[in-house]
Amino acid sequence: DTGVSQNPRHKITKRGQNVTFRCDPISEHNRLYWYRQTLGQGPEFLTYFQNEAQLEKSRLLSDRFSAERPKGSFSTLEIQRTEQGDSAMYLCASSFNPWGQDNGYTFGSGTRLTVV
Amino acid sequence: GQQLNQSPQSMFIQEGEDVSMNCTSSSIFNTWLWYKQDPGEGPVLLIALYKAGELTSNGRLTAQFGITRKDSFLNISASIPSDVGIYFCAGQEYGGSQGNLIFGKGTKLSVKP
Repeated sequence: DTGVSQNPRHKITKRGQNVTFRCDPISEHNRLYWYRQTLGQGPEFLTYFQNEAQLEKSRLLSDRFSAERPKGSFSTLEIQRTEQGDSAMYLCASSFNPWGQDNGYTFGSGTRLTVV
Repeated sequence: GQQLNQSPQSMFIQEGEDVSMNCTSSSIFNTWLWYKQDPGEGPVLLIALYKAGELTSNGRLTAQFGITRKDSFLNISASIPSDVGIYFCAGQEYGGSQGNLIFGKGTKLSVKP
């Protein structure tokens, strides 16, 4: 297994455009998480899935953001009508369920979004 | 929302020195994790702690889950150049979501000029 894979690694977009990121988790992991990280800060939780069900959404996830995991495998995060404040690193992570010891919580390398 | 206070914010190391950093919270945590992040990459898990008082080592790294469940520390012994990077503490809050890790702002380790 190659770990958690995120594509693209970098995305530059004009303000107002829509963007979509993809995350492929570790294959045997049934939980998938999205985080956002801005410069000089730690990652901030956005949302997570258990299989195809989206179980929690942070208040950071405005209505311009939508995440899906249609078949319980890969996930997409879409941002509509991007704003300059959306510029950040978007990180995906995956793990086993339940939470606890050796659940293999692993992050991908992230997608760096720059909105110009 | 809840934030973790991580200190120091930055530090300079010389090869061979020991390094200490810590993390505190205002509420009780079930789990403490320590990550290292290199530029342009995602965080990589170094040590995970699941019980109050637990002391765990991973090579030259040692971390402890505080007895009060509101703090944790990470020590790096005999630092080497590849230890440079940003170290984050993270945790799961007691009674919080099972999916939501809360992160500190990081401790940046640099090499002394």
